[in-house]
Amino acid sequence: DAGVIQSPRHEVTEMGQEVTLRCKPISGHDYLFWYRQTMMRGLELLIYFNNNVPIDDSGMPEDRFSAKMPNASFSTLKIQPSEPRDSAVYFCASSRGQGYYGYTFGSGTRLTVV
Amino acid sequence: QKEVEQDPGPLSVPEGAIVSLNCTYSNSAFQYFMWYRQYSRKGPELLMYTYSSGNKEDGRFTAQVDKSSKYISLFIRDSQPSDSATYLCAMSAPGNQFYFGTGTSLTVIP
Repeated sequence: DAGVIQSPRHEVTEMGQEVTLRCKPISGHDYLFWYRQTMMRGLELLIYFNNNVPIDDSGMPEDRFSAKMPNASFSTLKIQPSEPRDSAVYFCASSRGQGYYGYTFGSGTRLTVV
Repeated sequence: QKEVEQDPGPLSVPEGAIVSLNCTYSNSAFQYFMWYRQYSRKGPELLMYTYSSGNKEDGRFTAQVDKSSKYISLFIRDSQPSDSATYLCAMSAPGNQFYFGTGTSLTVIP
C-alpha cells in the first residue's frame, strides 16, 4: 500500500493566486481529513469527509477555502485567493471508521504564499 | 482554553535516558487517546493508542492515561537518537473529532 499520497510536496505562489492541493487516500478508508499545521497553532482540522460527503467544515477558516471529494480515491483543497497567512503545511489523512485506531497521514504539502 | 495542552519543549536528553512526555486536557468526555511521532518534514505517524484509562506498553514505549487528573503521558525507555522527533498527543470523545496537542520536540543526543 502506497499510503496517503499528497501533491504537490511544495508550492510557492503569489498572493491572490489560486492554489489547489490534492490527496489520494488509502483504498478502503471511508474517512478523509484535511489538516493545517503551523508552529503557533499546531494541527488544526479544516474539514472531514465520510464516504465522500463533507461532514464538518467548521474548521475552514473562511470562504476562500473549499474542499471537494468527487470519489473515494481523490480529494482537493482549494484556496482562492491565497494570502500570506495561509502559508503552512497542509496534511491529508484517512482512516477506516472515525479513526479510533489512528489516522494515516500523507507527507503534506508545504505552502508558501509570497 | 485549548482542548489539549502540550509543552512544546524542546527536550534534549542523552542516549539511554528515560523520556517523559505529557499532555493535559479539559474535556472529561475524551475517551480515545493517541500518541503520534512526526519526523522533520514528514506527516505524523501513529505510535500508540489507548481507550479510557490505564497503561499500555509496546516495546520501549508506555502510554498512561489518568482520567481523574485529565493527564496523559508517554514514556520512552532507553531512548535512541532515532527517537528524535516531535511527539503529538491526540484525543477524542466518541463520535467527535480528534484534538491534537501542538507537539513536543525531542532530541536524543548520542
